[in-house]
Amino acid sequence: KAGVTQTPRYLIKTRGQQVTLSCSPISGHRSVSWYQQTPGQGLQFLFEYFSETQRNKGNFPGRFSGRQFSNSRSEMNVSTLELGDSALYLCASSLEVFTGELFFGEGSRLTVL
Amino acid sequence: EDKVVQSPLSLVVHEGDTVTLNCSYEVTNFRSLLWYKQEKKAPTFLFMLTSSGIEKKSGRLSSILDKKELFSILNITATQTGDSAIYLCAVGRKGGKLIFGQGTELSVKP
Repeated sequence: KAGVTQTPRYLIKTRGQQVTLSCSPISGHRSVSWYQQTPGQGLQFLFEYFSETQRNKGNFPGRFSGRQFSNSRSEMNVSTLELGDSALYLCASSLEVFTGELFFGEGSRLTVL
Repeated sequence: EDKVVQSPLSLVVHEGDTVTLNCSYEVTNFRSLLWYKQEKKAPTFLFMLTSSGIEKKSGRLSSILDKKELFSILNITATQTGDSAIYLCAVGRKGGKLIFGQGTELSVKP
């Protein structure tokens, strides 16, 4: 059974650009959540999607957005990138809206120059 | 504001030692407490605790939750170099949001 797949794994952008990250959950999992991980802040919750609907949102500015498609794949977008957006972005999937065990992907490492 | 605090933030031990990692929380609408291990990239699930006083055990790892005092501990006995990782504590709220602590970085020396 394939795990959670995130693409791209690494990317470098410059300030002001935008970026789109993709996440394919484990087959059969309908909930996808996104986290930002930085050395200073640890893992911070961005948002969670279930059946194409955003169910929860963290305390991030509106530049951070996401969506989920009918096949449960999810994308997140960050517009007008800032240096502080440099981080590891982790996607996690679960069978239902958070029931306990999350399965994480290996993350997308974003560097903003 | 909801918060999850882990201590210590980093720890260096030698193989064979026993370690105790701490996690305290102040979270409204508590649902569960979870422990994850993060080695290089993706965190992997260790335990989920929902009831006080019931120890969960997996090999050399065990964990317990105290919902009255709002904390949990993760014990690792007879540590091995392969236990070196960041251990993450997270609290799940009713409604689905997970709040993570800063993590404890454990280094096990041979």
